Parts: sequence; structure tokens; C-alpha cells
Amino acid sequence: DGGITQSPKYLFRKEGQNVTLSCEQNLNHDAMYWYRQDPGQGLRLIYYSQIVNDFQKGDIAEGYSVSREKKESFPLTVTSAQKNPTAFYLCASSSTGTGGNTGELFFGEGSRLTVL
Amino acid sequence: GNSVTQMEGPVTLSEEAFLTINCTYTATGYPSLFWYVQYPGEGLQLLLKATKADDKGSNKGFEATYRKETTSFHLEKGSVQVSDSAVYFCALRGYGSQGNLIFGKGTKLSVKP
Repeated sequence: DGGITQSPKYLFRKEGQNVTLSCEQNLNHDAMYWYRQDPGQGLRLIYYSQIVNDFQKGDIAEGYSVSREKKESFPLTVTSAQKNPTAFYLCASSSTGTGGNTGELFFGEGSRLTVL
Repeated sequence: GNSVTQMEGPVTLSEEAFLTINCTYTATGYPSLFWYVQYPGEGLQLLLKATKADDKGSNKGFEATYRKETTSFHLEKGSVQVSDSAVYFCALRGYGSQGNLIFGKGTKLSVKP
């Protein structure tokens, strides 16, 4: 089945360590996104990518980095510079052409990162 | 800039009660509007959407109508079930935007038997 796969589902990290969250999609979508979810704050956009080898910062990009070397993959690295990294991270993708589904985001099941 | 405001929760209802979750937005032009649902420990799933004024999105007994005159997209369901317990997010995609959605803060719904 087509969809978005995020891994790992749960991740624990010590302070000062970088960690990379994986996101893979087989929906043939051009655009991919990373959101951060905190209790009571909804979803906030970290980074997004409209095409391979290109990406843009979202509202809260500081302390995070991404790459987009393949259409199917959009990994997120949470660096030691991120001051409060404990959160639920959601990856999403969407088509970018015209048509009825333009703008609809499809989400993975999320990765919960806890910093010890 | 574009923004979404939805009613704060939590909302607690008895089974078969009527549900309304208010959502209003601020946007230039003609945004597309969405409701997403998140079950515990999971990602978000699209519940319904509307892409132009007066459109009504509907799915699984839920409905929402795109009201440009009141800049609203309220979610309604006539008779909720325990299985509807989840967090509901209203979102918009700005006209001419690059695809990313702007989300409200979410409303947690708990339905008691």
C-alpha cells in the first residue's frame, strides 16, 4: 500500500547528541514536510521541500537540518543546538500539481523523541 | 499573515450528542480549508476538505461548510460515538502557497458511553 513510513516510532537521546529521524514515502509526491507537535500548540512547520535537492525553512527551523537527495526520502536531524527537542515529530507529503488533491497532506504515524 | 483559530478543548460529550467544533481563519485570497483527525499515538488523517466558498466537505458523518462571509469552517456531527474520541485540527492552505498547511492548535474530543 502507498503511504509514509517514519522511523523509529520512539527514540531516546542524551543531551548533546544529534539524532536523525527517517521519513520515506511511496506516493510519488514531490513535496515533503516536517512538523513538530507539542501539547496544546498544534503543529509547527520545521522544514519543507518542494523538489529534490531543494528545501526551505519553516517557522521553527533553528536546531534542525534536513536533506532531500531522493524524491522518496526526507530525513530530519535534530541537532544538539535544538534547546528543547522532546516532542512528537510528524512527516507529511503532498502532490504539487493541479487537481483535486493538491494541498492535501498525507501524514506518517510520527516519531516521539525524548531527551534524557 | 494566514492563521487559524479553533475552539479550545477539551470537549466532553455523551454518546449520540451533537458536536460542533468552531474554526475561523484569517487569510488573503481564497484558501483551501481542511479538517484533520488524530487518534492517540498516531499521525493525522484527513477528515474532510473544501476548496472554495460555500463548498461543504463531508465524511463519516462529519460536515463542514466553507463560509467566506464569516471566515469560518465549523466542524459538525449529528450523533457522536465513542470511537470519535480524538484530537481534531482545522487547517488552511493559502492561495498560491507552496503547499504547506497552517494548523489550528487542535481540539480534543472525548465521548463517553
